[in-house]
Amino acid sequence: SQQGEEDPQALSIQEGENATMNCSYKTSINNLQWYRQNSGRGLVHLILIRSNEREKHSGRLRVTLDTSKKSSSLLITASRAADTASYFCADTSGTYKYIFGTGTRLKVLA
Amino acid sequence: KAGVTQTPRYLIKTRGQQVTLSCSPISGHRSVSWYQQTPGQGLQFLFEYFSETQRNKGNFPGRFSGRQFSNSRSEMNVSTLELGDSALYLCASYRGTEAYDTQYFGPGTRLTVL
Repeated sequence: SQQGEEDPQALSIQEGENATMNCSYKTSINNLQWYRQNSGRGLVHLILIRSNEREKHSGRLRVTLDTSKKSSSLLITASRAADTASYFCADTSGTYKYIFGTGTRLKVLA
Repeated sequence: KAGVTQTPRYLIKTRGQQVTLSCSPISGHRSVSWYQQTPGQGLQFLFEYFSETQRNKGNFPGRFSGRQFSNSRSEMNVSTLELGDSALYLCASYRGTEAYDTQYFGPGTRLTVL
């Protein structure tokens, strides 16, 4: 079963707008990873946030983590058509295996 | 560094057959994990290998097996294929020395079972 659940399941925005997607998890985490997957392809690592971090930036990406609410959010600013993909959060829980969320399908309209 | 490679990229099999998928990790990485991705179940962990030993296993039947070679390349095998085994199979490579290592994924093998 999936530990993480992304919200919303699908999101459609105009190019240039910001996209925010959320991930909730059920148990304690050690760190949280965010990945992007273009249609039917492998996952590309975006950003890692550790349990003792609250916010992290990478280019147009901003990730926050709220361990008290067991949630994380990924913000993509100034979105582009190339950002169209599915986005997943993943937690390792210290057991060398990733537990993936259900993913958010983002569509950026040109 | 070259990325993770998976072969073949696409595969069509019939029920009852068996299949072997291959994964070559990033140079220097000693760990490989395998995942199955389907529209209904999402990304599910299959198993993980480190230095030729299976270190972790997901909830899949014994028809799913794997191994890792001394050069860290890994194979997974599915015997007696069922229609429900149709999926994208992804492998991920990482150093394996820390539980929180970032995993780097290959492009996947798309398996279709007819």
